[in-house]
Amino acid sequence: GQQLNQSPQSMFIQEGEDVSMNCTSSSIFNTWLWYKQDPGEGPVLLIALYKAGELTSNGRLTAQFGITRKDSFLNISASIPSDVGIYFCAGLNYGGSQGNLIFGKGTKLSVKP
Amino acid sequence: KAGVTQTPRYLIKTRGQQVTLSCSPISGHRSVSWYQQTPGQGLQFLFEYFSETQRNKGNFPGRFSGRQFSNSRSEMNVSTLELGDSALYLCASSQAPRTASLGGYTFGSGTRLTVV
Repeated sequence: GQQLNQSPQSMFIQEGEDVSMNCTSSSIFNTWLWYKQDPGEGPVLLIALYKAGELTSNGRLTAQFGITRKDSFLNISASIPSDVGIYFCAGLNYGGSQGNLIFGKGTKLSVKP
Repeated sequence: KAGVTQTPRYLIKTRGQQVTLSCSPISGHRSVSWYQQTPGQGLQFLFEYFSETQRNKGNFPGRFSGRQFSNSRSEMNVSTLELGDSALYLCASSQAPRTASLGGYTFGSGTRLTVV
């Protein structure tokens, strides 16, 4: 079945640093989504990408939909302590037993003040 | 605009019991998907409902079932609970299946189920 490879698995950075994480897949997606999840809460949608090559920003966050439609990256600039959490990528799949959203395993971000 | 509401937030059940979880989607959203999240397996798709019909189903045993009502609210049921069913159960709403635009695939805070 389809799988998303998300990297890195975890990151420990200093406040103010930039962060980059990415997801790759062996198959194409029509939509890429990036979520952030805080402990005990559901994932919160950060950015949605709908077209190959699309580059979208949301404040200090920037994400891109890869041209091959098999990858996406998320950048966070000038990190702050509240950026701590787990970031997930998700590809929107048209059906199949794995369902509509295929998730990466997540990137756990820790920020040192 | 109210978000996705899941109840209850926490549940503790005994092995062999059954449980029902509830999800109210964002107003105007007619599709509800359910996911199970565990540390080992991550987020795994359970099923999706649209217009009171199950549109897609993941690879979970028949003990996991769901339904959707005419007001788009959805419930999922797990019968004969096993220890391995302990997880965070999340639902996500969207306007229609496979539609991520206009706030689609917005998740609720989840129900934390512990089976003892």
